Amino acid sequence: GQQVMQIPQYQHVQEGEDFTTYCNSSTTLSNIQWYKQRPGGHPVFLIQLVKSGEVKKQKRLTFQFGEAKKNSSLHITATQTTDVGTYFCAGSFYNQGGKLIFGQGTELSVKP
Amino acid sequence: ETGVTQTPRHLVMGMTNKKSLKCEQHLGHNAMYWYKQSAKKPLELMFVYSLEERVENNSVPSRFSPECPNSSHLFLHLHTLQPEDSALYLCASSRDRDPAVYEQYFGPGTRLTVT
Repeated sequence: GQQVMQIPQYQHVQEGEDFTTYCNSSTTLSNIQWYKQRPGGHPVFLIQLVKSGEVKKQKRLTFQFGEAKKNSSLHITATQTTDVGTYFCAGSFYNQGGKLIFGQGTELSVKP
Repeated sequence: ETGVTQTPRHLVMGMTNKKSLKCEQHLGHNAMYWYKQSAKKPLELMFVYSLEERVENNSVPSRFSPECPNSSHLFLHLHTLQPEDSALYLCASSRDRDPAVYEQYFGPGTRLTVT
């Protein structure tokens, strides 16, 4: 079946450093969503990207959707300890009947 | 956040037990989902209900049996589970089932341990 691959699996950064996680698909995506799961918590929706080449910002977070709609990235500028958690991308495909496929997630830890 | 609630939050059961997980959404959504989250694995979609009708059954073993009596409630009935079924079970809802348009709201999950 179709998959969404996400890297890296883990990222340890010093507070103030930047962080990026990447999602890739071999098949064109209809759209991509990003979620954040705090330790011991549940996934919380962050944003959705739909258009080719789309870039959206939320404060220190920048989300991009590739021109071919096969990849996406989340970049956090100057990480803070509150950014700790696992970030998931989730994509839907045109021929999958509306199913959301989650990537493996990137677990971010921030050292103060 | 109290939009989607799940009970119990923790459950320990033996392999011969029968138990049920409950999910309730207070958002007026039409679609509800069950996911399984195991360590080191992505979220696995188990079941999708749209307007109380099951529209997706993702090759889930028959020892998991969903029930959706109305658009606000979703159950997952468990029987004769295996230790590898131990995981966090997450319920989610969305306004409609088209993920190209609508995001999903997750409940806090039920941490299930099968002994």
